[in-house]
Amino acid sequence: DAGVTQSPTHLIKTRGQQVTLRCSPKSGHDTVSWYQQALGQGPQFIFQYYEEEERQRGNFPDRFSGHQFPNYSSELNVNALLLGDSALYLCASSFGQHNQPQHFGDGTRLSIL
Amino acid sequence: DAKTTQPPSMDCAEGRAANLPCNHSTISGNEYVYWYRQIHSQGPQYIIHGLKNNETNEMASLIITEDRKSSTLILPHATLRDTAVYYCIVRVASGNQGGKLIFGQGTELSVKP
Repeated sequence: DAGVTQSPTHLIKTRGQQVTLRCSPKSGHDTVSWYQQALGQGPQFIFQYYEEEERQRGNFPDRFSGHQFPNYSSELNVNALLLGDSALYLCASSFGQHNQPQHFGDGTRLSIL
Repeated sequence: DAKTTQPPSMDCAEGRAANLPCNHSTISGNEYVYWYRQIHSQGPQYIIHGLKNNETNEMASLIITEDRKSSTLILPHATLRDTAVYYCIVRVASGNQGGKLIFGQGTELSVKP
């Protein structure tokens, strides 16, 4: 039974570019959350998708957007990349929004030059 | 902001029990205590969670004080593979703020031979 899978594993972009990261949830899960983890810090919540809608959002600018597809997979899009967007981007899936454990993928390492 | 306080680092001898404390003095009645760990270069791994009763699974035990203001994660027989950053998280179980995980700095556990 595959867990949460994310692609790509590593990515290098330059300032001003746009990037799309992808996530496939664990089998049976219908909710996807995205987190950003800067070097040496704990993950920071970006947003959560359930039933193809953004349900919650953390303190991130509108440059960060997402989408959830009918098969529950999800994308994270970041426009107008800044040097400060360099981080590990983590996807987590769960069954339902609230009190079931979230299970994480191993992330996409994004480097901005 | 994270609602938990953890020591930044701890050491444990291999084969001994590792007891990781967490303070969550402002916890509300509808908030669960979750524990995750993150091994270098991997995504966070779910360990255990509880509301007010002590919990045990194949990975660890969670002891929550009667007033719910603190908890302890116990790894009964630590191995070198348990070396990781351990995060204690208070998570709202429902409502508009429910679901998201707010990570603090965690405790860096080093298991030594």
